[in-house]
Amino acid sequence: AQKVTQAQTEISVVEKEDVTLDCVYETRDTTYYLFWYKQPPSGELVFLIRRNSFDEQNEISGRYSWNFQKSTSSFNFTITASQVVDSAVYFCALSGSGANSKLTFGKGITLSVRP
Amino acid sequence: SQTIHQWPATLVQPVGSPLSLECTVEGTSNPNLYWYRQAAGRGLQLLFYSVGIGQISSEVPQNLSASRPQDRQFILSSKKLLLSDSGFYLCAWSTSGGVYNEQFFGPGTRLTVL
Repeated sequence: AQKVTQAQTEISVVEKEDVTLDCVYETRDTTYYLFWYKQPPSGELVFLIRRNSFDEQNEISGRYSWNFQKSTSSFNFTITASQVVDSAVYFCALSGSGANSKLTFGKGITLSVRP
Repeated sequence: SQTIHQWPATLVQPVGSPLSLECTVEGTSNPNLYWYRQAAGRGLQLLFYSVGIGQISSEVPQNLSASRPQDRQFILSSKKLLLSDSGFYLCAWSTSGGVYNEQFFGPGTRLTVL
């Protein structure tokens, strides 16, 4: 069975601080996919990134960066120089390699960025 | 490009009343479709998913049901709402037979049962 653990439930930072959101996963699949979604106060889940299990390169997109480490089964998300607009719930998710595989979501991390 | 619509955006219903939430997807064919529920301050719970017209899989037994009368239409229903049915309902789609399986979500419906 697949499992995604987001041990942090709530994080509060002051604007311009860097913040890392942790994600640990469990799967028996040798090929799998990891995702991060953002849920702002409006409610809609916004897809941020997909990472394939065979590609351990870290990725940077503006102030966002993702650190994928297979050895520790982790896929952490760092926001650099956080802004108030980053305040949201962030979900990490995992999918197997089979066609039509469902997503397994973590419980989410509520990030509050104070001005 | 693909878009996903949900309506209504908000709904307040009395206990025991029926429910019908609708989700439609544009710009893609034969998508996989999903209904999730998110209770206040909690994570996402997958309720139903569908890989084709008339094909519905239920993840959690409850008084809700789902139907897919058309390729890009997914409906969530209940004959009699319970207080515990309150929550935020999200519809999502993914590419059928897709390799990566990422899902794209609609704007959601906030349901309050009184």
